Amino acid sequence: RKEVEQDPGPFNVPEGATVAFNCTYSNSASQSFFWYRQDCRKEPKLLMSVYSSGNEDGRFTAQLNRASQYISLLIRDSKLSDSATYLCVVNRGNYGQNFVFGPGTRLSVLP
Amino acid sequence: SQTIHQWPATLVQPVGSPLSLECTVEGTSNPNLYWYRQAAGRGLQLLFYSVGIGQISSEVPQNLSASRPQDRQFILSSKKLLLSDSGFYLCAWGDGGYYGYTFGSGTRLTVV
Repeated sequence: RKEVEQDPGPFNVPEGATVAFNCTYSNSASQSFFWYRQDCRKEPKLLMSVYSSGNEDGRFTAQLNRASQYISLLIRDSKLSDSATYLCVVNRGNYGQNFVFGPGTRLSVLP
Repeated sequence: SQTIHQWPATLVQPVGSPLSLECTVEGTSNPNLYWYRQAAGRGLQLLFYSVGIGQISSEVPQNLSASRPQDRQFILSSKKLLLSDSGFYLCAWGDGGYYGYTFGSGTRLTVV
């Protein structure tokens, strides 16, 4: 089993739709969590950190369930510009070399 | 503010040729630095990381090596490239893990 797993995708949704991505991790000692966005042939960019209490940034909401070792990302009112691959990232410990990237879930928002 | 520079953007190299990719960071001191590779359609694979000058840790055995000759400079090298070295190479810097990484714009390497 991979340490970080994500919905296989791709997700094809119409503009304005709400879409949710799921991510599970196997290391219960994991300390911090992130969602990254990667556009085609570009570098990943940090979308948002995921806090224990859940957090929201505009149309994006991230949730963390430590008991179930599960992270989610919800995108409301999808825009064409949201089309990208979304990477779930888990930090096993206090130091950056313990970041583990999920395989990514690809989203295509259709007009 | 902190910025990370990586070059070249694209590279086509013959099998058996050497490789040198450079990454520099500005606006911070003593960053943790990382080299990742992303093969076509695949996830990110950590190759090397460094917590300080001259300190390199390798995550996977391979045909590549890394060096950190200065605090904000990280170099990825190979003496002889293999076809399997093709991929998208990304340099990243981080502050220790709580705030995520920042990636450079990457080098797309094709070994022919």
